[in-house]
Amino acid sequence: EAQVTQNPRYLITVTGKKLTVTCSQNMNHEYMSWYRQDPGLGLRQIYYSMNVEVTDKGDVPEGYKVSRKEKRNFPLILESPSPNQTSLYFCASRGRYYEQYFGPGTRLTVT
Amino acid sequence: AQKITQTQPGMFVQEKEAVTLDCTYDTSDQSYGLFWYKQPSSGEMIFLIYQGSYDEQNATEGRYSLNFQKARKSANLVISASQLGDSAMYFCAMRGMDSSYKLIFGSGTRLLVRP
Repeated sequence: EAQVTQNPRYLITVTGKKLTVTCSQNMNHEYMSWYRQDPGLGLRQIYYSMNVEVTDKGDVPEGYKVSRKEKRNFPLILESPSPNQTSLYFCASRGRYYEQYFGPGTRLTVT
Repeated sequence: AQKITQTQPGMFVQEKEAVTLDCTYDTSDQSYGLFWYKQPSSGEMIFLIYQGSYDEQNATEGRYSLNFQKARKSANLVISASQLGDSAMYFCAMRGMDSSYKLIFGSGTRLLVRP
């Protein structure tokens, strides 16, 4: 089954404790991206990657890092999480018509 | 700047009836793509349907169809024969013009299907 997977689905952590949200797709897509969704602000792009070893900042990259060492994986790293990073996070990969297929989401709470 | 506008915060529809969710867009690009996504209460974002700006026919995917009126810059989603499982948030989106290829989303419409 073609899909984008994310782990963990739910995470509660404390300020400053480094964490990684993994993302993997099995559709051989070159382009992948990360979004966060917040009430009243909608979905905003954090980072994107056009291909292996090619990443760039989206609209809200502060406090996040990414890497793309393999085509299928695109992890999101929060080196020192803060409460304002509490959000619903989505990983996505892009199909041939520029449609993006989203993972199931990761609900992150930083206390 | 590109913008998606969804003017219906919430809608009700009776089970088995059809419903139209409105979406208007603004872009100066000649080539663009429009998308609809469904977000159930469980949170995932599900891709429903795509319409390209040069497509001559309205897109259809099962019970979903997109009523594309280019001159009016509208891309309404029509759901036929509504089911209880259609209750969800629905987002209209378009592809960004810059190199990020990000999706620009509207604010969404919450649809509730009544039995």
